[in-house]
Amino acid sequence: KAGVTQTPRYLIKTRGQQVTLSCSPISGHRSVSWYQQTPGQGLQFLFEYFSETQRNKGNFPGRFSGRQFSNSRSEMNVSTLELGDSALYLCASSLRTGSGLDSPLHFGNGTRLTVT
Amino acid sequence: KQEVTQIPAALSVPEGENLVLNCSFTDSAIYNLQWFRQDPGKGLTSLLLIQSSQREQTSGRLNASLDKSSGRSTLYIAASQPGDSATYLCASRMDSSYKLIFGSGTRLLVRP
Repeated sequence: KAGVTQTPRYLIKTRGQQVTLSCSPISGHRSVSWYQQTPGQGLQFLFEYFSETQRNKGNFPGRFSGRQFSNSRSEMNVSTLELGDSALYLCASSLRTGSGLDSPLHFGNGTRLTVT
Repeated sequence: KQEVTQIPAALSVPEGENLVLNCSFTDSAIYNLQWFRQDPGKGLTSLLLIQSSQREQTSGRLNASLDKSSGRSTLYIAASQPGDSATYLCASRMDSSYKLIFGSGTRLLVRP
């Protein structure tokens, strides 16, 4: 079974530009979450999507947005990039059950974004 | 607000040693707690998931325990190997969303 796939693996952008990152979850997984990882702040939750609906959102500015498609694939977008947006962006998928309590998260290898 | 702490930040042990990694959390009303490992430049690999109603979970040489009353979880690694070298992260899940609260990790080095 293929794991969570994130593309691209690396991105270099300039301040002020925008970027779109893509995530394909494990087959059958309908929940997709996004996390930002930086040396200073560690891993921080961005948002979660399930059935094309945003279920939860972390404490990030509105420049960070996402969406999920009917095939569960997800994209996140960051507009007006700032130097502080440089980070490893990780996508995770889960087999959300009826209770939603007992499914582990499975992570992709991330997209390394560098903003210059 | 949940806070998750992992001590020590780094650990170096000789191959073959049994070791314990610690994870503490401030809010005991967790749904579950998950342990991950992260290799340099890679994503996170799920190791063990402990539900709030469970006391421990085992997978191979790994055993994770959960004590909600004291706000602690431990990851026990038996007979450590150089391939176990990685950063180990614990994360608590507080509700039905997948908003995990992560600790800052313990960087483990197992010396041959």
